[in-house]
Amino acid sequence: QKEVEQDPGPLSVPEGAIVSLNCTYSNSAFQYFMWYRQYSRKGPELLMYTYSSGNKEDGRFTAQVDKSSKYISLFIRDSQPSDSATYLCAFSSGGYQKVTFGTGTKLQVIP
Amino acid sequence: ETGVTQTPRHLVMGMTNKKSLKCEQHLGHNAMYWYKQSAKKPLELMFVYNFKEQTENNSVPSRFSPECPNSSHLFLHLHTLQPEDSALYLCASSQDLALGSGETQYFGPGTRLLVL
Repeated sequence: QKEVEQDPGPLSVPEGAIVSLNCTYSNSAFQYFMWYRQYSRKGPELLMYTYSSGNKEDGRFTAQVDKSSKYISLFIRDSQPSDSATYLCAFSSGGYQKVTFGTGTKLQVIP
Repeated sequence: ETGVTQTPRHLVMGMTNKKSLKCEQHLGHNAMYWYKQSAKKPLELMFVYNFKEQTENNSVPSRFSPECPNSSHLFLHLHTLQPEDSALYLCASSQDLALGSGETQYFGPGTRLLVL
């Protein structure tokens, strides 16, 4: 079983749609949950960071963690063409442990 | 601009060539990283440096040789590569190594490498 599962997409949605991006994981030690956004020809940039379970909201973005199901989600409301990018989920068990990344989901928001 | 620059942005090399990738961070960070990103695969951590000292070598073949002369510069020396080494090579930096506790990594734009 892979440590992290993420659908690579591509996912195409019309502008204004609500987007749901998801990852599942198997390592119970993960406590820190991250979403990175990677535009074409750029490196990843940290978008959202959550510790333990629950929701975190930042503007149009909401990160959700369900540790009991080992499932995390990123919701994008009122999606814009500028949101077109690859979204990578990432995990860590804390401290000086390395970050484990998903494969990334490519999102295209069509005007 | 993330403050992490990489050169060259694109590189084509034959299997017998020797080339080097360069990374520079302007953020005053102490830790620097090399990652490999291949299509449909997760980011693979290759090397970690903290205060110029290598702290992790993630079972990377010896045809990849890192060098960190100071906390701002990181190199990846390449020789006798294989076609399967073609990928995007990303450099990153962070203030310290506590990535698992919210410390943020800042990535450069990457070098797109093609090995023929």
